[in-house]
Amino acid sequence: GIQVEQSPPDLILQEGANSTLRCNFSDSVNNLQWFHQNPWGQLINLFYIPSGTKQNGRLSATTVATERYSLLYISSSQTTDSGVYFCAVVLYSGGGADGLTFGKGTHLIIQP
Amino acid sequence: DTGVSQDPRHKITKRGQNVTFRCDPISEHNRLYWYRQTLGQGPEFLTYFQNEAQLEKSRLLSDRFSAERPKGSFSTLEIQRTEQGDSAMYLCASSLNYPDEQFFGPGTRLTVL
Repeated sequence: GIQVEQSPPDLILQEGANSTLRCNFSDSVNNLQWFHQNPWGQLINLFYIPSGTKQNGRLSATTVATERYSLLYISSSQTTDSGVYFCAVVLYSGGGADGLTFGKGTHLIIQP
Repeated sequence: DTGVSQDPRHKITKRGQNVTFRCDPISEHNRLYWYRQTLGQGPEFLTYFQNEAQLEKSRLLSDRFSAERPKGSFSTLEIQRTEQGDSAMYLCASSLNYPDEQFFGPGTRLTVL
């Protein structure tokens, strides 16, 4: 099956720093999403980005589908950015099948 | 509509008991998905529905698990004869169609004693 690898697994930064999270995937995809999971377990949608670049405030994401990777950028980090960030993909099958396949996540800690 | 809702939010049960969870998707979303997440891992896909039809099941979904979406709206996930290994967060998601963005509910955290 499709493999999704996220790096780094853990990241500790000071408030105000910038960070880049990476997601590599092993096959062509129809859907790629970035999520932030809060301490209560809720998955919060950040980006739906099977290709191209999007920005939302301090966050932006880029997916290079031909090279099978996606990047999530967080600028001017705040303590509320702490949590686990997941990348998830749907394999390009043409048949409308399959749920999201998630990576193991990046655990981000922003220290004041 | 405020998003995907799940009930209950927490469930504690004894090994061998049956449990049932409910998911209400975003209205007019045709696709509904169930996932399971264990501690320290990303969610894993279990099954999904296109309207009322269950179209795919993961090999993770043993015979003790059954899911329904009888009228193409809400869905239920039942686990029979629960085992301690079933302890996990059960997440529901919905999307308008394939391969649209999926939106997740808050989850049901199951603890099997």
